Amino acid sequence: AQSVAQPEDQVNVAEGNPLTVKCTYSVSGNPYLFWYVQYPNRGLQFLLKYITGDNLVKGSYGFEAEFNKSQTSFHLKKPSALVSDSALYFCAVRDSGYALNFGKGTSLLVTP
Amino acid sequence: NAGVTQTPKFRVLKTGQSMTLLCAQDMNHEYMYWYRQDPGMGLRLIHYSVGEGTTAKGEVPDGYNVSRLKKQNFLLGLESAAPSQTSVYFCASSTRGQGANQPQHFGDGTRLSIL
Repeated sequence: AQSVAQPEDQVNVAEGNPLTVKCTYSVSGNPYLFWYVQYPNRGLQFLLKYITGDNLVKGSYGFEAEFNKSQTSFHLKKPSALVSDSALYFCAVRDSGYALNFGKGTSLLVTP
Repeated sequence: NAGVTQTPKFRVLKTGQSMTLLCAQDMNHEYMYWYRQDPGMGLRLIHYSVGEGTTAKGEVPDGYNVSRLKKQNFLLGLESAAPSQTSVYFCASSTRGQGANQPQHFGDGTRLSIL
């Protein structure tokens, strides 16, 4: 089965500093990877995806993610964090069918 | 655009009661999904549908039923609610275009408590 793991329950970063939210994957075949963000009392919002091609994927709100095949990782990054980036972040991998398998989520807290 | 709309937003049930959660999307998406979100467990797929009149089981289907009689609607039913079904339920939809790797669009969830 396709799966992802998010090793950190929470990430704390000061505003203006770079941020990284980690994700590792386990798949058979080519991985199709996604990042979503969830703000309080809201549904998930799509940030970016990796299907094929460039290892650096750019997404919404200034986020990007780096696909690393040798390390089986797909870490989410942003050069300069904002307080408004504080939210719950989910990594996901497409299952063999049509659905997504999500990680358990990482809570990002950006402090002023 | 409304996107994906879930009703109701909140509900409290007693054990053994039944209810139906409604999901409606106005994006003409072919695929629709029901997930549940529990603390520390991420989202888990309950059922999904790849088109009108078709449904399939996901990771945690027991205790739930679904129907997709119209393309824009996906209903999730609890026949006999149990406390273990206390959760936040999310509906999502995605287009079939360019394969199955299109982003899923989520509703804002239904918060369900079973007493």
